[in-house]
Amino acid sequence: DAGITQSPRYKITETGRQVTLMCHQTWSHSYMFWYRQDLGHGLRLIYYSAAADITDKGEVPDGYVVSRSKTENFPLTLESATRSQTSVYFCASSEAARGRTEAFFGQGTRLTVV
Amino acid sequence: AQKITQTQPGMFVQEKEAVTLDCTYDTSDQSYGLFWYKQPSSGEMIFLIYQGSYDEQNATEGRYSLNFQKARKSANLVISASQLGDSAMYFCAFSWGKLQFGAGTQVVVTP
Repeated sequence: DAGITQSPRYKITETGRQVTLMCHQTWSHSYMFWYRQDLGHGLRLIYYSAAADITDKGEVPDGYVVSRSKTENFPLTLESATRSQTSVYFCASSEAARGRTEAFFGQGTRLTVV
Repeated sequence: AQKITQTQPGMFVQEKEAVTLDCTYDTSDQSYGLFWYKQPSSGEMIFLIYQGSYDEQNATEGRYSLNFQKARKSANLVISASQLGDSAMYFCAFSWGKLQFGAGTQVVVTP
């Protein structure tokens, strides 16, 4: 199916565990983004990538790791999950980061750290 | 660092009325883009409208229009003739090489 998909949709994990959220897009968009959404904060940018093997920090990168070995995949790893990382995570992709190039979003992953 | 501010955490609007959602941004860049997205209670992010920093005319998309005042660094969204289905969270976003969002405004449309 064409589009951008995130997996899993829901995840419960324990404090201290490593967890990876997956993001896959079928458009070959250059740019991909990871956001977390918390009440009162909107969407905060965690990491983004301009192309395969190019990643950069966003507003709240601490505690997260990303990689992008292939254009279509952009996994987000929480190396040692903490309760403060309980959130809804959105992945997005766009053709470019300037100009009229809207970002397309995945359905979100609801992560609970207990 | 770029910053986007949405000062209205929530607002009520009556059906068929117009509503203006505020968005201001802070940047020294000359080339950038401004977006508005809608997030209904189901959670998906829906693109509404785009304004480029060099666009001379305000953007319009159906019932949505963007009141762009570059000197004041504001990009307010106007929804005309509100419908019950417009009840949602609305986010302003700023694109300058990365895409950053404001905190959002919750809109509730009442009959």
